Amino acid sequence: DAKTTQPNSMESNEEEPVHLPCNHSTISGTDYIHWYRQLPSQGPEYVIHGLTSNVNNRMASLAIAEDRKSSTLILHRATLRDAAVYYCILKTGANNLFFGTGTRLTVIP
Amino acid sequence: GAVVSQHPSWVICKSGTSVKIECRSLDFQATTMFWYRQFPKQSLMLMATSNEGSKATYEQGVEKDKFLINHASLTLSTLTVTSAHPEDSSFYICSARGWASGSADQETQYFGPGTRLLVL
Repeated sequence: DAKTTQPNSMESNEEEPVHLPCNHSTISGTDYIHWYRQLPSQGPEYVIHGLTSNVNNRMASLAIAEDRKSSTLILHRATLRDAAVYYCILKTGANNLFFGTGTRLTVIP
Repeated sequence: GAVVSQHPSWVICKSGTSVKIECRSLDFQATTMFWYRQFPKQSLMLMATSNEGSKATYEQGVEKDKFLINHASLTLSTLTVTSAHPEDSSFYICSARGWASGSADQETQYFGPGTRLLVL
């Protein structure tokens, strides 16, 4: 499975936008970019996924670089409930999800 | 989104006993379910992939005779930790593969809330 690189931690002020980066320079043409987040003592929660085009849903936006070697998860207005570990994962077809260390997001009131 | 439940949410047992954890997909059918384990301050590690009606596929280093997986129906998979020992204490999380709401391009995985196991 192709590897992703994320910062270990990030901080954001409440009600401000957050941009969580992910590098995946070895991504293949069939890899989808998935984002999950895990709140403390809970199972991971699906956030968003995309292939080439930018994607929006009710939780977040996903901006994918033109060369697909990096992507950014955008939370438009961070709330205290968004404090979690965010995982960027590459997934091909029906392959399993393999989790890296993710980015721990701290939201400051 | 799709809902996956786990039962129990936490369990404390004595060393040497067996513990069964259930994973259910509540509003969709899942031909494939996954079992993960997560130790404190670490990421999730995939233990095994469970396909309905067939034997589970275990990741390298996971003992299949210790972690028994049964996926008897499209909505239920069980993980039994046999002869549990303190080193088996962990957070066990299942997931089921399904289709994200409004998305038709690729299945995604939906996760249960996890089961915290403490072996004394």
